[in-house]
Amino acid sequence: DAKTTQPPSMDCAEGRAANLPCNHSTISGNEYVYWYRQIHSQGPQYIIHGLKNNETNEMASLIITEDRKSSTLILPHATLRDTAVYYCIVRAASGGTSYGKLTFGQGTILTVHP
Amino acid sequence: GAGVSQSPRYKVAKRGQDVALRCDPISGHVSLFWYQQALGQGPEFLTYFQNEAQLDKSGLPSDRFFAERPEGSVSTLKIQRTQQEDSAVYLCASSLSWIGQGSLEAFFGQGTRLTVV
Repeated sequence: DAKTTQPPSMDCAEGRAANLPCNHSTISGNEYVYWYRQIHSQGPQYIIHGLKNNETNEMASLIITEDRKSSTLILPHATLRDTAVYYCIVRAASGGTSYGKLTFGQGTILTVHP
Repeated sequence: GAGVSQSPRYKVAKRGQDVALRCDPISGHVSLFWYQQALGQGPEFLTYFQNEAQLDKSGLPSDRFFAERPEGSVSTLKIQRTQQEDSAVYLCASSLSWIGQGSLEAFFGQGTRLTVV
């Protein structure tokens, strides 16, 4: 699976949009971009995923650049409960036996402050 | 409950002791994963089951680690002769889909924190 690069930490004011970037310059055509987050002392939580098109759900929006080499996770109105480690992961859609796994990196520690 | 359940939540083992960690996935979920998370690090893949078949165990760090899912539902991760470096949070995840379906939304449990003393 392609390697991802994320900033180690970011801050955001409560109520503002949080924009978390991710670089995945070696992504290949059949690899999805996934975002998970992990709140302290809990297991990771799925947020959103996409292949080529931008995606939106009740939690967040995912913007993928046209060349697919980077993406941005947007939390439109961050709350204190959004403070967590956010992981950007790329994963092959099919093929071989390694596509069962999610390869988490170090992630971005997002701190939402009042 | 509706989520992935892991037990125990905390386990303290003496070095050399065997431990067994249990995972109850969401009912009907085909795929089951085990991950290991060291302090301050992201989760690292250990092994993957599709129903009762263990399709990938490439992440198991040594032959002291063994996982099973005999009836395709509950899974157990066993660690024999525990060492201090085994201290970590062990996370279990399940998914309705199976590898090859394309997308994979995995639901994680809260994990078991293992401390080897």
